[in-house]
Amino acid sequence: EAQVTQNPRYLITVTGKKLTVTCSQNMNHEYMSWYRQDPGLGLRQIYYSMNVEVTDKGDVPEGYKVSRKEKRNFPLILESPSPNQTSLYFCASSYFGEQYFGPGTRLTVT
Amino acid sequence: DAKTTQPTSMDCAEGRAANLPCNHSTISGNEYVYWYRQIHSQGPQYIIHGLKNNETNEMASLIITEDRKSSTLILPHATLRDTAVYYCIGYNFNKFYFGSGTKLNVKP
Repeated sequence: EAQVTQNPRYLITVTGKKLTVTCSQNMNHEYMSWYRQDPGLGLRQIYYSMNVEVTDKGDVPEGYKVSRKEKRNFPLILESPSPNQTSLYFCASSYFGEQYFGPGTRLTVT
Repeated sequence: DAKTTQPTSMDCAEGRAANLPCNHSTISGNEYVYWYRQIHSQGPQYIIHGLKNNETNEMASLIITEDRKSSTLILPHATLRDTAVYYCIGYNFNKFYFGSGTKLNVKP
């Protein structure tokens, strides 16, 4: 079954404690992306990757890092999380513009 | 970059057609228009996309005006399960620009 998986699905952490949200896809897609969703703001793109070792900033990259060492994985790294990064995060992979989204990770930073 | 504008919410009676408009007046010639929907807080789901011509698939139809400044997503026979937030998105082969979308309420 074609799918995008994210882990963890829920995470509560404290300010400054580094964390990684993993994302994996099994469709051999070259393009992968991370979004955050906040009430009233829709989805905003954080980072995207066109292929292995090729990443670029989206609209809201501050406070986030990504890496793409393998085609199937695209982890999102928060080196020093802050409360304003409390949000619902989605990973997606796509063939051209048809994106497949993961189930989401709800992150709370206290 | 194609920034889009959509109404905040719309109502539709079950069984009737739902017509969801989107304004994308800044779209450039090579930018596709994509439509997605999101049910509750699930990951968004792809519906349909187009560049110039009208498109139809098993889920919906997409009507794009000749000047490409706006489009309309049509759900021909809305059901209660179509209640969701619908996003009209500009895509230029790198970045995706989601707006706040339209909350479609399908009522019995």
